[in-house]
Amino acid sequence: GAGVSQSPRYKVAKRGQDVALRCDPISGHVSLFWYQQALGQGPEFLTYFQNEAQLDKSGLPSDRFFAERPEGSVSTLKIQRTQQEDSAVYLCASSETGISSDEQYFGPGTRLTVT
Amino acid sequence: TQLLEQSPQFLSIQEGENLTVYCNSSSVFSSLQWYRQEPGEGPVLLVTVVTGGEVKKLKRLTFQFGDARKDSSLHITAAQPGDTGLYLCAGFDQTGANNLFFGTGTRLTVIP
Repeated sequence: GAGVSQSPRYKVAKRGQDVALRCDPISGHVSLFWYQQALGQGPEFLTYFQNEAQLDKSGLPSDRFFAERPEGSVSTLKIQRTQQEDSAVYLCASSETGISSDEQYFGPGTRLTVT
Repeated sequence: TQLLEQSPQFLSIQEGENLTVYCNSSSVFSSLQWYRQEPGEGPVLLVTVVTGGEVKKLKRLTFQFGDARKDSSLHITAAQPGDTGLYLCAGFDQTGANNLFFGTGTRLTVIP
């Protein structure tokens, strides 16, 4: 079956531009996560949705970052007024239930480069 | 912040050698997972360990969870070039939060 997909796979933005990153989770999965992975580092948690509800956004680094999942399936991570420090791979993951410790399935990520 | 430190950060070995990667924290985790990530892809789950002292084997890979559930190790026997990749440990903390706390990563290269 289809896994988690993300688009675009690569995005180059000039500093100050807004970007939108899309995540298509596995169909029927309740939970959706966004992580940020800097070069050579492990992923860091950004935000978590259970269906359409954003239950945890404690990892969002600033108010320039905004995520939504309006219909409980596709999610969009938006970054406004991008800065060079936003350059990273943005990973999306989904899990079948809302149970903590449920297996998370990761997408291939979107590599964002801010110039 | 739940900090998971991995060592070594980089490891380059010859095919057929054995290796161990360590994942250490001062925090207690309800469970701990190991992932492998290849370039241009997301992490893929290898194993989950839940009980302190637990040992799990997956072919040539052996995973151990520390008795106090603060640390873990991954041992690979007779490494093969296909084992090359970024190995990440990740844990769920005891608050019941759904997000994973990832380690700093170990980049393994197995030379044929």
